[in-house]
Amino acid sequence: KAGVTQTPRYLIKTRGQQVTLSCSPISGHRSVSWYQQTPGQGLQFLFEYFSETQRNKGNFPGRFSGRQFSNSRSEMNVSTLELGDSALYLCASSLRQGAEQYFGPGTRLTVT
Amino acid sequence: QQPVQSPQAVILREGEDAVINCSSSKALYSVHWYRQKHGEAPVFLMILLKGGEQKGHEKISASFNEKKQQSSLYLTASQLSYSGTYFCGTRATYSGAGSYQLTFGKGTKLSVIP
Repeated sequence: KAGVTQTPRYLIKTRGQQVTLSCSPISGHRSVSWYQQTPGQGLQFLFEYFSETQRNKGNFPGRFSGRQFSNSRSEMNVSTLELGDSALYLCASSLRQGAEQYFGPGTRLTVT
Repeated sequence: QQPVQSPQAVILREGEDAVINCSSSKALYSVHWYRQKHGEAPVFLMILLKGGEQKGHEKISASFNEKKQQSSLYLTASQLSYSGTYFCGTRATYSGAGSYQLTFGKGTKLSVIP
């Protein structure tokens, strides 16, 4: 089975721009979670989607949003980028909510 | 609330043992353990469910103390391949809003040297 894929792998944006990241889960997995990883902070939960509905949301501003499509693929969007948004964004898929998660390689976002 | 992991970092020689702890202030339903090698994605190791069970994976095992809301990851006879950052993720409630959310600790960096 193919693993979780994320595109693009690297992205450089300037402050004020917006960005869309994409995640394709493992075939058959219906739950997709997004995390922000920065040095020293570990993995910060952004949100989780299951059956095209956002089920959980972390403590991030409204500039961070996402969606899930009928084929379970997910996108996250960050509007009005700030320097502090520079991070590795990881998505993880699981067969069902609460089950073990399989992570993608991440998208490295740099905001200048 | 983020679980607290200890130690923050540890250096081992091949063959030595290590214990990584993960503590939460909330009542836990489950604890997940992941390992992330430098430049790679986190990889799932094991899940422990409420009930205090202990699970094993190769020479890596873990326990879950429900009374203390603490989980411990045991690495025995460490190998060079064990090097990486270990994260625990906790799930605090069984049902209701946010119940499936995993909250991760800041990680424990494990370095195994020859």
